[in-house]
Amino acid sequence: SQQGEEDPQALSIQEGENATMNCSYKTSINNLQWYRQNSGRGLVHLILIRSNEREKHSGRLRVTLDTSKKSSSLLITASRAADTASYFCATNPDYKLSFGAGTTVTVRA
Amino acid sequence: GAGVSQSPSNKVTEKGKDVELRCDPISGHTALYWYRQSLGQGLEFLIYFQGNSAPDKSGLPSDRFSAERTGGSVSTLTIQRTQQEDSAVYLCASSPGSNTDTQYFGPGTRLTVL
Repeated sequence: SQQGEEDPQALSIQEGENATMNCSYKTSINNLQWYRQNSGRGLVHLILIRSNEREKHSGRLRVTLDTSKKSSSLLITASRAADTASYFCATNPDYKLSFGAGTTVTVRA
Repeated sequence: GAGVSQSPSNKVTEKGKDVELRCDPISGHTALYWYRQSLGQGLEFLIYFQGNSAPDKSGLPSDRFSAERTGGSVSTLTIQRTQQEDSAVYLCASSPGSNTDTQYFGPGTRLTVL
């Protein structure tokens, strides 16, 4: 069963704008990971944030984690056309990753 | 270095036929996972191999699904007597070993059952 739920389901933005998507989950976790998927195929790992971390940065990505609210957010700054993809959060209370249905981001040129 | 590879990239089969999907994990990774992604959905866990331990098969949807991992490396997912609802993208991932490690995904096999 899916533990993570992303919000919104879809997002359309202009190139150069920021994109923010949220993830909520249900049970306690060891860490939370964000993945990107292009064209419905392989997933690319973006960033991992551990349960004892509150914020993490990687290039144009900023991830926050609030374990009290069981939620995380992914911010992509200065978006580019190449950022067009589906984004998934995944939690692992154990070794199995549990994914949400994803947020589809479209960046318009 | 080489990532996770999967073959075939696409497979079209007729209902009732058996199919085999292959996964080559990253060299040295002891953990290997299979997931399934149906159209427009998130990923669904199928099976997990860790070293020489007995695999966790708790995600396999029916006894038509089986998987093996030979020599702690290559894995094969077999679906017997395929059904139309088996149509999905099957993704394989590997990780160095810890249950908190990042999982690295292959490009997937798109299975279409006619």
